[in-house]
Amino acid sequence: GQQLNQSPQSMFIQEGEDVSMNCTSSSIFNTWLWYKQDPGEGPVLLIALYKAGELTSNGRLTAQFGITRKDSFLNISASIPSDVGIYFCAGFQNTGTASKLTFGTGTRLQVTL
Amino acid sequence: KAGVTQTPRYLIKTRGQQVTLSCSPISGHRSVSWYQQTPGQGLQFLFEYFSETQRNKGNFPGRFSGRQFSNSRSEMNVSTLELGDSALYLCASSLSAGGVPITQYFGPGTRLTVL
Repeated sequence: GQQLNQSPQSMFIQEGEDVSMNCTSSSIFNTWLWYKQDPGEGPVLLIALYKAGELTSNGRLTAQFGITRKDSFLNISASIPSDVGIYFCAGFQNTGTASKLTFGTGTRLQVTL
Repeated sequence: KAGVTQTPRYLIKTRGQQVTLSCSPISGHRSVSWYQQTPGQGLQFLFEYFSETQRNKGNFPGRFSGRQFSNSRSEMNVSTLELGDSALYLCASSLSAGGVPITQYFGPGTRLTVL
């Protein structure tokens, strides 16, 4: 099935550092979403973006909907240990007759003290 | 209120067997979607049910099927299990179907291992 390409695949950072990750697709999406998944849990929605160029924040998280509608970016500022987990982007398309959510490959984030 | 519940949490089966997984959505939610998560393929959409009708289907073989009951609880079934079916199966419920899934909540998943 189709997947969105996320980079980096994984990253080790120190507490207090800022983190950036991105997601690219060959297809255009109407909506971009970012999720976080903790071990043993399902993904939890962090941010939803609805139009090209939109910049949205949720606490220390900031995400942007790329102008081409084929990419999105997530930044985490001043990382803390509880930011550890896997972050997924997802693109949403609604054609009227069917809707589809396509997930990215994930970025595994590990934070060291 | 209670979140999405999936049972069982862990399951071990052998090739050729069949398996049924259960998902109880958040109270009041009528849409249930199923996803397969594997290290190699990531999160892949299986199907979505709304008001007991399959609304949407991903690109999986016919061995994967599902259904939804009148109380919105859903089951998915995999017949003739293959090694490659080993995965975390996630269920997600939402109030309605078709729109941007901002009211969609995932369960903790069922970890299926096929030996």
